[in-house]
Amino acid sequence: DTGVSQDPRHKITKRGQNVTFRCDPISEHNRLYWYRQTLGQGPEFLTYFQNEAQLEKSRLLSDRFSAERPKGSFSTLEIQRTEQGDSAMYLCASSPKTGDSGNTIYFGEGSWLTVV
Amino acid sequence: AQSVTQLDSHVSVSEGTPVLLRCNYSSSYSPSLFWYVQHPNKGLQLLLKYTSAATLVKGINGFEAEFKKSETSFHLTKPSAHMSDAAEYFCVVSEVLTGGGNKLTFGTGTQLKVEL
Repeated sequence: DTGVSQDPRHKITKRGQNVTFRCDPISEHNRLYWYRQTLGQGPEFLTYFQNEAQLEKSRLLSDRFSAERPKGSFSTLEIQRTEQGDSAMYLCASSPKTGDSGNTIYFGEGSWLTVV
Repeated sequence: AQSVTQLDSHVSVSEGTPVLLRCNYSSSYSPSLFWYVQHPNKGLQLLLKYTSAATLVKGINGFEAEFKKSETSFHLTKPSAHMSDAAEYFCVVSEVLTGGGNKLTFGTGTQLKVEL
């Protein structure tokens, strides 16, 4: 059984360029999450999908950010017109649908973004 | 809103001595609490979780935590530290989202250093 897979693991881009990250959740996990972690801080929630439906978005997710999960399996997070403040690690996570408040959430190893 | 406060940003112990990482929580109702560990350039790994069952929770790698409602605390302990325990530890509180998913709110982290 593979864990949550993220690609690319590292991305360096020039300010103003667009970048896209991909996440493949654990098979049969229908809940998928994106978090952002900056140096010296804990991860912060960005958005949440149940199957293909995006059910929650944080105020941190500006208009330049868009996340999709078109077929309820893998997800993409796109950042348009990147800014230096977007430099961070973008973490994807998934969990099964079991209905209780203590669902275990499994994280990928993250995608590091550096905007120069 | 729920939150957690990690009382120490850095903790240093000698190998073989006990570990104590402190966390206080703020929640208007019975919380779901977690401890996650993050090794350098690795994803987040769940150590243990509290979901209103037993107040003393045992996790992986010999870690355990005790939920104390009267003190609003959820401290992480281990009787004997090992070099491999050196990592960043996050105390986390969870809230239920639309559709039953979970939003994790992380503390700022405690960097554990283990010395010979």
